[in-house]
Amino acid sequence: DGGITQSPKYLFRKEGQNVTLSCEQNLNHDAMYWYRQDPGQGLRLIYYSQIVNDFQKGDIAEGYSVSREKKESFPLTVTSAQKNPTAFYLCASSNGGSLEQYFGPGTRLTVT
Amino acid sequence: SQQGEEDPQALSIQEGENATMNCSYKTSINNLQWYRQNSGRGLVHLILIRSNEREKHSGRLRVTLDTSKKSSSLLITASRAADTASYFCATDQGGATNKLIFGTGTLLAVQP
Repeated sequence: DGGITQSPKYLFRKEGQNVTLSCEQNLNHDAMYWYRQDPGQGLRLIYYSQIVNDFQKGDIAEGYSVSREKKESFPLTVTSAQKNPTAFYLCASSNGGSLEQYFGPGTRLTVT
Repeated sequence: SQQGEEDPQALSIQEGENATMNCSYKTSINNLQWYRQNSGRGLVHLILIRSNEREKHSGRLRVTLDTSKKSSSLLITASRAADTASYFCATDQGGATNKLIFGTGTLLAVQP
């Protein structure tokens, strides 16, 4: 998990509330990614950013939003429009696209 | 979308035995990577094999790639209880997107 921090580790929210998950990296990586993982499943890409002030939708972007104002930071907002927000959220970074990705420890979000 | 599918979904072995897990994918790739995830944690990169490579070693890990069959295998030799984790393959299709597509994972349990 070194070099990437996610906070908080556990997050509880009421339905209808927006919530922002933090992701910070000190690896000087250009690219950052947000994934969602459901129990017993693989990772699905929500959003990714290859450079500051630019980001693209992944496979399941609906109900999520991101910003990339600083190279070190890539916060993810889970909006009330996301139908099933309860999941494990993982942030990752890489030094240029197809090279290995470094993952944070994850945030487990529970919405009731 | 999930490009890779791991087989088996779950594997239970005794300490000291070898563990083999397989990954199949659907489209041509630039490289294939294997990651490990301990329960409730982020993923850790294990090994990357490029499309023009057939075999790669790293410590007790051996990865093979058969691009004609669109498949890869990960062999862990002399397994230890600490190897208990989920293992994911991830494919990079190259091009402008620079995204990794993760498989569904193999849950490995090594009994002491």
